[in-house]
Amino acid sequence: SQTIHQWPATLVQPVGSPLSLECTVEGTSNPNLYWYRQAAGRGLQLLFYSVGIGQISSEVPQNLSASRPQDRQFILSSKKLLLSDSGFYLCACSQTGGFEKLFFGSGTQLSVL
Amino acid sequence: AQSVTQPDIHITVSEGASLELRCNYSYGATPYLFWYVQSPGQGLQLLLKYFSGDTLVQGIKGFEAEFKRSQSSFNLRKPSVHWSDAAEYFCAVGLSYNTDKLIFGTGTRLQVFP
Repeated sequence: SQTIHQWPATLVQPVGSPLSLECTVEGTSNPNLYWYRQAAGRGLQLLFYSVGIGQISSEVPQNLSASRPQDRQFILSSKKLLLSDSGFYLCACSQTGGFEKLFFGSGTQLSVL
Repeated sequence: AQSVTQPDIHITVSEGASLELRCNYSYGATPYLFWYVQSPGQGLQLLLKYFSGDTLVQGIKGFEAEFKRSQSSFNLRKPSVHWSDAAEYFCAVGLSYNTDKLIFGTGTRLQVFP
């Protein structure tokens, strides 16, 4: 079964600093990959999803970007963090379609100060 | 636009008491509905899901949920709560069967007193 590695678990960054969150997946090939964020008082919001290497779809306009340099690697980045980027970031993966095999990582709590 | 509402931010129950967590959705088509649980430091774990058929679905850990189309609701229930059920619970709607994209509610934090 799939295993999602997401790190770090917590991160404190100053405003204006860059960000790189990495998510790697084991136990599957050619997965769909997702980045979700939960801001304070809000539900988990889908930020990006990817159906293959180099294929990124952005769901909401924002200060963040995503990349998929390898089949099982999904990176969330920012050149300059904003206070509003604070939140809980979850990586998820699935086999193509069906919701049957959708797995989530343990998340990264990002605080921008 | 599609949305999911969990009106209860925080619920506290005594161990052994019954539990119902509310979820309402707004979605034009036939929904795919889910309940996930997140324990501290853990990823989301799927409790149960509804795609079609019997509107009362059974999940893991003794949870069940009932889909009521007329009320646009998918409430989660458990007859007797255990201390280990303390966690955050998320209701979600699936947008696309092919891409597995989900819309989540804001979550309900469950606290269980002994």
